[in-house]
Amino acid sequence: AQRVTQPEKLLSVFKGAPVELKCNYSYSGSPELFWYVQYSRQRLQLLLRHISRESIKGFTADLNKGETSFHLKKPFAQEEDSAMYYCALRDFKGGSQGNLIFGKGTKLSVKP
Amino acid sequence: DTEVTQTPKHLVMGMTNKKSLKCEQHMGHRAMYWYKQKAKKPPELMFVYSYEKLSINESVPSRFSPECPNSSLLNLHLHALQPEDSALYLCASSQDGGGTGFADTQYFGPGTRLTVL
Repeated sequence: AQRVTQPEKLLSVFKGAPVELKCNYSYSGSPELFWYVQYSRQRLQLLLRHISRESIKGFTADLNKGETSFHLKKPFAQEEDSAMYYCALRDFKGGSQGNLIFGKGTKLSVKP
Repeated sequence: DTEVTQTPKHLVMGMTNKKSLKCEQHMGHRAMYWYKQKAKKPPELMFVYSYEKLSINESVPSRFSPECPNSSLLNLHLHALQPEDSALYLCASSQDGGGTGFADTQYFGPGTRLTVL
């Protein structure tokens, strides 16, 4: 079954520390993966998509097919990074037509 | 215009009321989505419209009735809701909607926070 797992509900780090938000997926085929972020009282917005291999706000994420992972990383966390982060997978199986499957989310808290 | 807009921002309704949520985008996207998001939970897909046709209904109760009048608008009609339907209702749109094999990014609106009394 198609699944996205974010093992940490909450991740708390100090400002300037490295941060890694974990995401593992289960999907038979070539996955399309995304990271979405939801800041307090703001809309859910796209942060990264693996196909673009981009760095946004200092965050990067590399697709590792061997480990079925798409972890989100930033070398130096900032207080403004505090938010809810969702890993998402596009599902093309069983007539799903590419709909998003979201992980349960990880709340990142960056302390001063 | 590169945003998805939703109205109203907040809605409080009784269990016997009939109300509607509206979503609009002018990005030329042909796929539009309704999600339900409970507090501290990920969004759950409710409906998908692709080229103005309902393509996915994720076993949503009939008290929720979607409508896509044209390619820019998506409505969600609400009738006889229950208190457990209180949630943030998110609309999203994407360029194509699926089956294209490339990353079809979904853009989300700010949501309508619904409270059912």
